[in-house]
Amino acid sequence: IVLTQSPATLSLSPGESATLSCRASQSVSRFLGWYQQKPGQAPRLLIYDASNRATGIPARFSGSGSGTDFTLTISSLEPEDFAVYYCQHRINWPLTFGGGTKVEIK
Amino acid sequence: EVQLLESGGGLVQPGGSLRLSCAASGFAFSANDMVWVRQAPEKGLEWVSAISASGGSTYADSVKGRFTISRDNSKNTLYLQMDSLRADDTAIYYCAKEIVVVPPTHWYFDIWGRGTLVSVSA
Repeated sequence: IVLTQSPATLSLSPGESATLSCRASQSVSRFLGWYQQKPGQAPRLLIYDASNRATGIPARFSGSGSGTDFTLTISSLEPEDFAVYYCQHRINWPLTFGGGTKVEIK
Repeated sequence: EVQLLESGGGLVQPGGSLRLSCAASGFAFSANDMVWVRQAPEKGLEWVSAISASGGSTYADSVKGRFTISRDNSKNTLYLQMDSLRADDTAIYYCAKEIVVVPPTHWYFDIWGRGTLVSVSA
C-alpha cells in the first residue's frame, strides 16, 4: 500500500491552522496513524486509528478520514509544531509510511 | 521511565555484517510487540522488521533473507542481525515499541529510541 502525502511542504505562520493530507492506494479502513518528527529526533506518535490522540498529545491535533483519504489538522500552530509529519498504515504487511509533509514557518 | 536505547551501529563495508541491539527499560518488554524502522539520510521512514511478543517475525522485502530480528526477554533486549549489507542500507535505525491502549490496537509505535547510525561504504 502506497501512502501519498500532500502537500510536500506547508508554509504557515504561528496561530494559523494546518491541514495535511494522506491518501492510500487502497483502503486501509481506519487503520492509519500520524507521527511528528523534528530534526535530530525520533518520530512521535500523534494519532492512531485515524482519530485517536495518543497519550499527552494536545487537543489542537486532530485526525479524520477512513478508507483511502485521511487528514491531520493542527488547529492553531504553536512554534513547536513546525516539523515533518508522516502517516503510517497498519492494515497489513508491509507497514508503510507516507513520504512526509514538512510544516515550515512562513 | 520508559526507555529504548539502540547500540551497535557503525561503518561497515558492503557485504559485511552488523548486529544492532535495543535495550528496553521501564515497561514489560516481554509483553510488547517491537519493530525496527530506518531512515536514510534526508529521507522518510521505512519499516524494516517486526517481532511479536510471542516471537513471530516479519520483514520488509528489501531486507528479507539478509536481516534477522530477535529478542531476549531475559535481557529486555531486541536485536537486528544485518548480513550482506548494501550501500542502500545506510540509515539511522530506530527500535520502537507498540502502543498499548484500551481498547487495544496494534502496530503503531509510541516509544522510540534515539536511533543508531549504520553506514555502508567501501
